Amino acid sequence: DAGVIQSPRHEVTEMGQEVTLRCKPISGHNSLFWYRQTMMRGLELLIYFNNNVPIDDSGMPEDRFSAKMPNASFSTLKIQPSEPRDSAVYFCASSLNPTALAGGDTQYFGPGTRLTVL
Amino acid sequence: DQQVKQNSPSLSVQEGRISILNCDYTNSMFDYFLWYKKYPAEGPTFLISISSIKDKNEDGRFTVFLNKSAKHLSLHIVPSQPGDSAVYFCAAIDSNYQLIWGAGTKLIIKP
Repeated sequence: DAGVIQSPRHEVTEMGQEVTLRCKPISGHNSLFWYRQTMMRGLELLIYFNNNVPIDDSGMPEDRFSAKMPNASFSTLKIQPSEPRDSAVYFCASSLNPTALAGGDTQYFGPGTRLTVL
Repeated sequence: DQQVKQNSPSLSVQEGRISILNCDYTNSMFDYFLWYKKYPAEGPTFLISISSIKDKNEDGRFTVFLNKSAKHLSLHIVPSQPGDSAVYFCAAIDSNYQLIWGAGTKLIIKP
C-alpha cells in the first residue's frame, strides 16, 4: 500500500495567487482529514470528510480556504487568494472511520505539502 | 484556548537515558489519549495510546502514564536512542470522537 499521497510536496507562490493542494487517501479508508502545522499552533484540524461528505469545517480559518472531495480517492484543499500567513505544512490524513476509536484506530498521515507564500 | 498542552517545545536527552515527554489537558471528559511521532518531512505516525480506565500502558521501550486527577499524561522512552529524535504529539479524543492535538515537543537525543 502506498499510504496517503500528497502533492505537491513543496509549493512556493506569491501572495494573491491560488494554491491547490491534493490528497489521495489510503484505499478503503472512509474518512479524510486536512491539517495545518505551524510552529506557533502545532497541528490544527481544518476539515474532515466522511464518505466524501464534509462533516466539520469549523477549523477552516477563512473563506479563502475551501476543500472538496469529489470521490473516495481524491481531495483538494484550495486557498484563494493566498497570503504569507498561510505559509505552513499542510497534512492530509485518512482513517477507516471518522472517529478515533478506542483500540487505536489511528489516522494515517501523508508526507505533507510545505507551502510558502511570498 | 488549548485543551491539550505540551508546554515544552523541545527536550534534549543523552542517549541511553530516559526521555520523559509531558502533556496536560483541561477537559475531564477526555477518555482516550494517543501519542504520535513525527520525523522531518514526514507525516505523524501513531506510537502508543492509553484509555482512561488505565493508568499505564507499555509497548517495548515506550510507556505512557496517565494521571486523571492531575489531568496529566507522560510518555517515557527507555533507553533513548538516536532514532527517537523527532517531534512527539500528544492527542486526546473529545466527545465527538475527534482528535484534539497538542503543539508537539521536539525530542533531541544526544550521542
